[in-house]
Amino acid sequence: EAGVVQSPRYKIIEKKQPVAFWCNPISGHNTLYWYLQNLGQGPELLIRYENEEAVDDSQLPKDRFSAERLKGVDSTLKIQPAELGDSAVYLCASSLGTGTGPILRNTEAFFGQGTRLTVV
Amino acid sequence: QKEVEQDPGPLSVPEGAIVSLNCTYSNSAFQYFMWYRQYSRKGPELLMYTYSSGNKEDGRFTAQVDKSSKYISLFIRDSQPSDSATYLCAMSEGSARQLTFGSGTQLTVLP
Repeated sequence: EAGVVQSPRYKIIEKKQPVAFWCNPISGHNTLYWYLQNLGQGPELLIRYENEEAVDDSQLPKDRFSAERLKGVDSTLKIQPAELGDSAVYLCASSLGTGTGPILRNTEAFFGQGTRLTVV
Repeated sequence: QKEVEQDPGPLSVPEGAIVSLNCTYSNSAFQYFMWYRQYSRKGPELLMYTYSSGNKEDGRFTAQVDKSSKYISLFIRDSQPSDSATYLCAMSEGSARQLTFGSGTQLTVLP
């Protein structure tokens, strides 16, 4: 079974240019996450989708970042305009569901390989 | 101060050594505790998962959670060069959907 697929793997752009990242989650996974990982740091959640609804976007800088998940499957994350400080790895993850309780089975998040963005 | 603090490393050990990785946290509402392994230029992958306090063992890996001290640990026995990676602790209040990660510890196991 294919894992979470992200593209492109690497992107170099000039500051003030727009950029978009694409994510295809694991088939059947209803929950999709976008994380930001700076060098030497752990991932930080940007946005979480339940199907096509963004249920947690409190950490998404909405002045320049936008995201969408049409039809509750693939997702794109866009930055416009990009700034030097946006250079980082953008990780997409998906999970089957978001149940509660001690059982992880449906809520384990599987990560893609990430898109490494360099803004020059 | 960050909610989750992790020993910064980097950590370098000889093959066969016992490795101890640790995190402390400040949010007493955390109930789910995880360890992720991240190889260079790859996404994190779940290694161990513990709900509430206690120990959990899986092969050469043991995860410990002490909620009274707000302290979690991952032990790796008989470490192998293939264990060389960055280890991230992660925690959540409710299920695994809102994870707070530590900054990661880079581990190198020398052959």
